[in-house]
Amino acid sequence: DQQVKQNSPSLSVQEGRISILNCDYTNSMFDYFLWYKKYPAEGPTFLISISSIKDKNEDGRFTVFLNKSAKHLSLHIVPSQPGDSAVYFCAASAYAGNMLTFGGGTRLMVKP
Amino acid sequence: DAGVIQSPRHEVTEMGQEVTLRCKPISGHNSLFWYRQTMMRGLELLIYFNNNVPIDDSGMPEDRFSAKMPNASFSTLKIQPSEPRDSAVYFCASRSTGTDTQYFGPGTRLTVL
Repeated sequence: DQQVKQNSPSLSVQEGRISILNCDYTNSMFDYFLWYKKYPAEGPTFLISISSIKDKNEDGRFTVFLNKSAKHLSLHIVPSQPGDSAVYFCAASAYAGNMLTFGGGTRLMVKP
Repeated sequence: DAGVIQSPRHEVTEMGQEVTLRCKPISGHNSLFWYRQTMMRGLELLIYFNNNVPIDDSGMPEDRFSAKMPNASFSTLKIQPSEPRDSAVYFCASRSTGTDTQYFGPGTRLTVL
């Protein structure tokens, strides 16, 4: 049973436009959420996170939104750049310091 | 900081052979994680350690897989005997106690022929 799901395996966006990556979860105990970015032949790198006490966290071009009632989070990238082309994973944990559960990833392609 | 270090980066072996993957976590990190990434199953947790002690190994596929952490700066993941279905990219990650952000190594791409 997948507790964290990324239903879109891929997304293609024009440079300069907004990219929106979505993630759904089923475990109501999850209270901390992270997004990782992965380039080919590299390990995932941490991008941005959000605690369940917030509904939005922003870091430069990246913003994560959390809708606890819908058990849904999204990552917005604006404006999108070709260097953002990568696989994006969302992850969740049930309490601080616990293990992470990852989604299956979404491949983002930003076209020049 | 050098980040999480994994070796080898690539490993090609024949079915039945023993494979040992190595990981050096970030200095000062107390937790270490081993993941496997495949097309079919995505990124799945195999085992994790806190302060060198295995905490959850429920993700280890079967007895052919074993992991050790003899000290705070080194861990191994061993597959014996290896099978073609073990072919995947294996990642090691580390984390400071009480935090959620894990830092990943570059991974080891394992191919079992």
